[in-house]
Amino acid sequence: DQQVKQNSPSLSVQEGRISILNCDYTNSMFDYFLWYKKYPAEGPTFLISISSIKDKNEDGRFTVFLNKSAKHLSLHIVPSQPGDSAVYFCAASLIQGAQKLVFGQGTRLTINP
Amino acid sequence: EPEVTQTPSHQVTQMGQEVILRCVPISNHLYFYWYRQILGQKVEFLVSFYNNEISEKSEIFDDQFSVERPDGSNFTLKIRSTKLEDSAMYFCASTYGTGWNQPQHFGDGTRLSIL
Repeated sequence: DQQVKQNSPSLSVQEGRISILNCDYTNSMFDYFLWYKKYPAEGPTFLISISSIKDKNEDGRFTVFLNKSAKHLSLHIVPSQPGDSAVYFCAASLIQGAQKLVFGQGTRLTINP
Repeated sequence: EPEVTQTPSHQVTQMGQEVILRCVPISNHLYFYWYRQILGQKVEFLVSFYNNEISEKSEIFDDQFSVERPDGSNFTLKIRSTKLEDSAMYFCASTYGTGWNQPQHFGDGTRLSIL
């Protein structure tokens, strides 16, 4: 099941710079997209979401961009901080029904001092 | 901030035994979910539960699996006869409603190890 893909297993960014995490999806029916952050031995923590009627959503240092024609979304973190080091999961769902989440494989982000 | 709690954090069980994983969702939430993550693989949806019944389940959620909300606070996942391939992290999640701006909130998971 490759409906949601995060092609970069890892990303290393200098503190203070911008981190850009990418996610692609294949199911054009998806209309709700979310980013979760996960520390070791903890569950995924919700970060930010976007509906398919928008192309950008911003919350503090986090911005999610959605390009429906390319079936691509990205998460921008600026400025990156050491506490941002974690695994980031992209997830997608249909807004109707049970809204089961379909997850990508995750990208491990490391912020270097 | 309210959170989803899961117990135990780690469960070790012999193959063929029954296991019950427990979750206490956020108190005013109405939709409940179980997901699992096998080591090195994606987080996968198992089942969703609303109004005391299953609303959707995946292919993984076969007859060996069941869910229950035995009281007003707990939400359980039972595996009747565990198999080696059931070894995984199991995450419970809940949300107040469905729709935009209703993200699912996850517990810290139960690591299930089948010997």
